[in-house]
Amino acid sequence: SQTIHQWPATLVQPVGSPLSLECTVEGTSNPNLYWYRQAAGRGLQLLFYSVGIGQISSEVPQNLSASRPQDRQFILSSKKLLLSDSGFYLCAWSFIRTSGSSYEQYFGPGTRLTVT
Amino acid sequence: AQSVTQLDSHVSVSEGTPVLLRCNYSSSYSPSLFWYVQHPNKGLQLLLKYTSAATLVKGINGFEAEFKKSETSFHLTKPSAHMSDAAEYFCVVNGKGKLVFGAGTILRVKS
Repeated sequence: SQTIHQWPATLVQPVGSPLSLECTVEGTSNPNLYWYRQAAGRGLQLLFYSVGIGQISSEVPQNLSASRPQDRQFILSSKKLLLSDSGFYLCAWSFIRTSGSSYEQYFGPGTRLTVT
Repeated sequence: AQSVTQLDSHVSVSEGTPVLLRCNYSSSYSPSLFWYVQHPNKGLQLLLKYTSAATLVKGINGFEAEFKKSETSFHLTKPSAHMSDAAEYFCVVNGKGKLVFGAGTILRVKS
């Protein structure tokens, strides 16, 4: 079966400091990978998605970047954090879409980021 | 464009009574629809999915949902609420290969 890991679980960082959040998936090959942010009272916002190594699509312009150095590893980064980067960050994966696929995504446990 | 509207931001029920969480969708093609649950400070867990097979979909933990094309609805139900059902629930539709999330419904279960 497939498993998705995220770390760290919680993080408190000062404004202007760098950020690196990591997500790994086990038990499947060549998954689609996603980063979401969930801010208080604002629902889920898709930040980035990736259909393969080195292939990153950004959904919204922002202070963050993503990379996929390996097939099952997805990293969310920032060079200088802003207060507005605080939130709950969720990584998700899905199977590659084929005819008839149903698109569901499977989520990791999340990282709570507080920028002070 | 695909969208979902969750009609209630908060729902409160007593333990042992039925649960109804309402969701309407908009889609220009035959949609895939999902319900996810999120407990505080946890990731989202897939409860159930509809993918154009049976219109009544059974999920985990006793939840089920019925796809009604004529009403463009996909309401989530459970016959008897348990304290552990208290969480936030998201109705989701697929949109051009990405998921489109509703705003969420917070379910409170009173003892």
